[in-house]
Amino acid sequence: AQKVTQAQTEISVVEKEDVTLDCVYETRDTTYYLFWYKQPPSGELVFLIRRNSFDEQNEISGRYSWNFQKSTSSFNFTITASQVVDSAVYFCALSEAEGAGKSTFGDGTTLTVKP
Amino acid sequence: EAQVTQNPRYLITVTGKKLTVTCSQNMNHEYMSWYRQDPGLGLRQIYYSMNVEVTDKGDVPEGYKVSRKEKRNFPLILESPSPNQTSLYFCASSRTEAKETQYFGPGTRLLVL
Repeated sequence: AQKVTQAQTEISVVEKEDVTLDCVYETRDTTYYLFWYKQPPSGELVFLIRRNSFDEQNEISGRYSWNFQKSTSSFNFTITASQVVDSAVYFCALSEAEGAGKSTFGDGTTLTVKP
Repeated sequence: EAQVTQNPRYLITVTGKKLTVTCSQNMNHEYMSWYRQDPGLGLRQIYYSMNVEVTDKGDVPEGYKVSRKEKRNFPLILESPSPNQTSLYFCASSRTEAKETQYFGPGTRLLVL
């Protein structure tokens, strides 16, 4: 069975601080896919990144970066120089190649960035 | 514009009154899925469909039905809604399976009295 844990329920930072959102996953599959989604206060779900289990390269996109470590089953998300517009709920999700239709989300981390 | 649409966006109903939440996508995606979001519980998968006439249960299917007669539509049916089905519902679609990036609808907020 697949499982995603986002241990940080809420994080509050001041603008321009760096912040890391943790994601730990469990899976028996050797092939799987990890995602991060953002849900701003307006409520929609916005895709941020997709990573497959064979690609352990870290990725950077502007102020966002992701650290994928298979050895610790973690896929952490860092926002550098946070801004008020980064305030949102962030979800980490996992899909296994074998359970092709199943998708498991973490409980989400609510990030508040104060001016 | 590529999108997933849901209707209605907001619904207040009473226990036992059958309702349907529609979901439609215009991206020719094979895969569609329904989730519910409750405070502190993230998104939980209700049902998913790999293609037309192929549906399967997610983690919380009890009290829900789905059908996939056409590729673009994936309605969620609550035959006899109960208060514990009060939630925010999202429909999503993607190419092939859940391992692909899912595109989400705007959400349907349901209140069952």
